[in-house]
Amino acid sequence: AQSVSQHNHHVILSEAASLELGCNYSYGGTVNLFWYVQYPGQHLQLLLKYFSGDPLVKGIKGFEAEFIKSKFSFNLRKPSVQWSDTAEYFCAVYSGSARQLTFGSGTQLTVLP
Amino acid sequence: DGGITQSPKYLFRKEGQNVTLSCEQNLNHDAMYWYRQDPGQGLRLIYYSQIVNDFQKGDIAEGYSVSREKKESFPLTVTSAQKNPTAFYLCASKGPDLSQPQHFGDGTRLSIL
Repeated sequence: AQSVSQHNHHVILSEAASLELGCNYSYGGTVNLFWYVQYPGQHLQLLLKYFSGDPLVKGIKGFEAEFIKSKFSFNLRKPSVQWSDTAEYFCAVYSGSARQLTFGSGTQLTVLP
Repeated sequence: DGGITQSPKYLFRKEGQNVTLSCEQNLNHDAMYWYRQDPGQGLRLIYYSQIVNDFQKGDIAEGYSVSREKKESFPLTVTSAQKNPTAFYLCASKGPDLSQPQHFGDGTRLSIL
């Protein structure tokens, strides 16, 4: 069975600091990779996705993620965070063969003004 | 606008009661999913359905039941056998195009009285 690991459970940063959230998955087949964000009191929203092609993908609100196949990783980055980025971030992996989307445990990001 | 509607938003249950959470979508999606969200554990798959009149157990199906009599509807019943039902429940749907992500409802928060 596939699994997704997010090693940082809670990250606290000051505004303008750079962000990198780790995501590793265990599945040898073809996968599609996603990062979702859940702002306080809101539903899940898609930040970005990777299916194929350029391993560096850009999403909304200045976020980007890099797929490194050899490391089974899909880390999320942002050069300069803002207070409004405070939210919970979920990495997810979709297996086409299993037709299932598996989520990581989430990382709570708190940005201090 | 197309989307997923979950109701109710908040639900309270007495111990020993079964309760049913509603999920309706007008996206014409074949696949629908139920997830449970607990703090520190992210989203876990309860049940999913790829087509009408068919569904499969996810990772944590014990204590839950579903039905898929119509394409638009995928209700989840939390039975009295579910020992720890207090959680946030998310419904999702997905179209046939693998390049498109899942769509999520706003969720239902279930609490035990």
